[in-house]
Amino acid sequence: GQNIDQPTEMTATEGAIVQINCTYQTSGFNGLFWYQQHAGEAPTFLSYNVLDGLEEKGRFSSFLSRSKGYSYLLLKELQMKDSASYLCAVRSTGTASKLTFGTGTRLQVTL
Amino acid sequence: ETGVTQTPRHLVMGMTNKKSLKCEQHLGHNAMYWYKQSAKKPLELMFVYSLEERVENNSVPSRFSPECPNSSHLFLHLHTLQPEDSALYLCASSHDRGLGETQYFGPGTRLLVL
Repeated sequence: GQNIDQPTEMTATEGAIVQINCTYQTSGFNGLFWYQQHAGEAPTFLSYNVLDGLEEKGRFSSFLSRSKGYSYLLLKELQMKDSASYLCAVRSTGTASKLTFGTGTRLQVTL
Repeated sequence: ETGVTQTPRHLVMGMTNKKSLKCEQHLGHNAMYWYKQSAKKPLELMFVYSLEERVENNSVPSRFSPECPNSSHLFLHLHTLQPEDSALYLCASSHDRGLGETQYFGPGTRLLVL
């Protein structure tokens, strides 16, 4: 089975940097995804890691350590619009890309 | 706009009603998914269809009945639901080959069961 842990809530200041951590225990790991979900909206894809290391995409970066079962999402130059829930999801092996999600981290960006 | 649409966006139904949720994807994907999202709980995978065949049923009660008539359309038929079934129901689609095929989500149907 899969077990995914991430903090429930975080608060950060506009312009700052915030790191959202995710730890997982899984069988058959086949990649880790980060999604952003604004209240009342669909989750939208942010990043994907399957190999160890850092993937950078503009203001957002995601890191993976498979040996530690650990990932983080790094958000730089925070903007008010970044206030949202950030969902960590692990993909298992199989015919279809089955994703198991964490409960999400609600990020509040303040002035 | 993610290319995945869902109707209706909001639905209120009684426990004796029968209703259906519809999902359509315009991305050329061949796998489709139903998820349930309840407050303060992780997204829960309900059903997976790959190439129009159901490949996953995550112990979902029989009052939820999925249907995938083709690779672009997915339905969730609802009957005799319970108040605890009130949630956001999200549809997603992806390619079902290779590694790292990303799932794209629709806007969801907010369901309230009275």
